[in-house]
Amino acid sequence: GAVVSQHPSRVICKSGTSVKIECRSLDFQATTMFWYRQFPKQSLMLMATSNEGSKATYEQGVEKDKFLINHASLTLSTLTVTSAHPEDSSFYICSAKRGSGSVGETQYFGPGTRLLVL
Amino acid sequence: LAKTTQPISMDSYEGQEVNITCSHNNIATNDYITWYQQFPSQGPRFIIQGYKTKVTNEVASLFIPADRKSSTLSLPRVSLSDTAVYYCLVGGNTDKLIFGTGTRLQVFP
Repeated sequence: GAVVSQHPSRVICKSGTSVKIECRSLDFQATTMFWYRQFPKQSLMLMATSNEGSKATYEQGVEKDKFLINHASLTLSTLTVTSAHPEDSSFYICSAKRGSGSVGETQYFGPGTRLLVL
Repeated sequence: LAKTTQPISMDSYEGQEVNITCSHNNIATNDYITWYQQFPSQGPRFIIQGYKTKVTNEVASLFIPADRKSSTLSLPRVSLSDTAVYYCLVGGNTDKLIFGTGTRLQVFP
């Protein structure tokens, strides 16, 4: 299957600092990437849809100025958590959609990034 | 976006066949059905995808009845390493995937 990587795998930061998480599709081009957040014992919650070369589309309740998304190329999307606070501590997962636009495209997920804000 | 309903949890023993059924009564004509597996502190892993009838790969089978309002993931002869959360999702090529609660499968020795 297709490979999606994330970096870093885990990060600890102080409250008030910003953290950048990278998501890369290693062996395919992804025009669309997605960012999810997952709290312990809960399901994945979609945060935003990232399209290459355009602004991200955020889900309701997700602050776009706090969670900055940049999709600079067909293989890289970044999520920056600005002015992080302890409540932002979570497991952040990205996914990339592989396909040519036909029905049945499959999303492949990265391994996730564990963020702990002290 | 079609909403899916799955059992919250299931228990099984090693070597048994496990069938997890997902309901998606509002599935649209161009929606595909996709199943993912997630282990703790890992991203979801693609298991299988189908549109209708039956799909089989090296790890699972997916049964979809003619009305497509439900689907069943079948895991043959589960092992302890199959203990995980299994998510059923439906969507078309332009849809974002919205995760439901998933089914927490616990396999006992």
